[in-house]
Amino acid sequence: DTGVSQDPRHKITKRGQNVTFRCDPISEHNRLYWYRQTLGQGPEFLTYFQNEAQLEKSRLLSDRFSAERPKGSFSTLEIQRTEQGDSAMYLCASSPWDSYGYTFGSGTRLTVV
Amino acid sequence: QKEVEQNSGPLSVPEGAIASLNCTYSDRGSQSFFWYRQYSGKSPELIMSIYSNGDKEDGRFTAQLNKASQYVSLLIRDSQPSDSATYLCAADSNYQLIWGAGTKLIIKP
Repeated sequence: DTGVSQDPRHKITKRGQNVTFRCDPISEHNRLYWYRQTLGQGPEFLTYFQNEAQLEKSRLLSDRFSAERPKGSFSTLEIQRTEQGDSAMYLCASSPWDSYGYTFGSGTRLTVV
Repeated sequence: QKEVEQNSGPLSVPEGAIASLNCTYSDRGSQSFFWYRQYSGKSPELIMSIYSNGDKEDGRFTAQLNKASQYVSLLIRDSQPSDSATYLCAADSNYQLIWGAGTKLIIKP
């Protein structure tokens, strides 16, 4: 297993466009998390899946953000009608069911112009 | 609002010395605590976890937890230039980790 994989590594988009990111977790991990991180800040929680069930979603998120994890394997995070404030590093992490010791992917850096 | 607080630094330490990083958390229900290292432009990497009061050692790293004081620390012995990074402290709270903003550590040769 090569760890948590995220795609793309970088995305530049125009304001108002939709973007979708993909995360492939470590295969035996059933917990999957999406975080967002801006410069000088710690990761900010977005959402959490246990297998295919989305158990938690940050109240900070607007309805423009949606995430899925069909069949409990890979996950996608979609941002609709992007805004400049969405520019950040989007991090995916996975962990076994009995640990919060995440393994992070390399992240997707989003720039909205 | 549940929080994890860290001094942002930068903390400058001579090579070979002990670096001491500190963190406090607000959620008394937190049971698991983590230290992550993050190099500039990279994602966080787990270096230590601690779950019970006291010290936990792993190589040059020692994590310390005091639940009564809601305090977590990380000691790095024999600091190396490659230890220069931002160190993030995190505590579990309701299915997720709550993160500090990180302490930037600079090891001077």
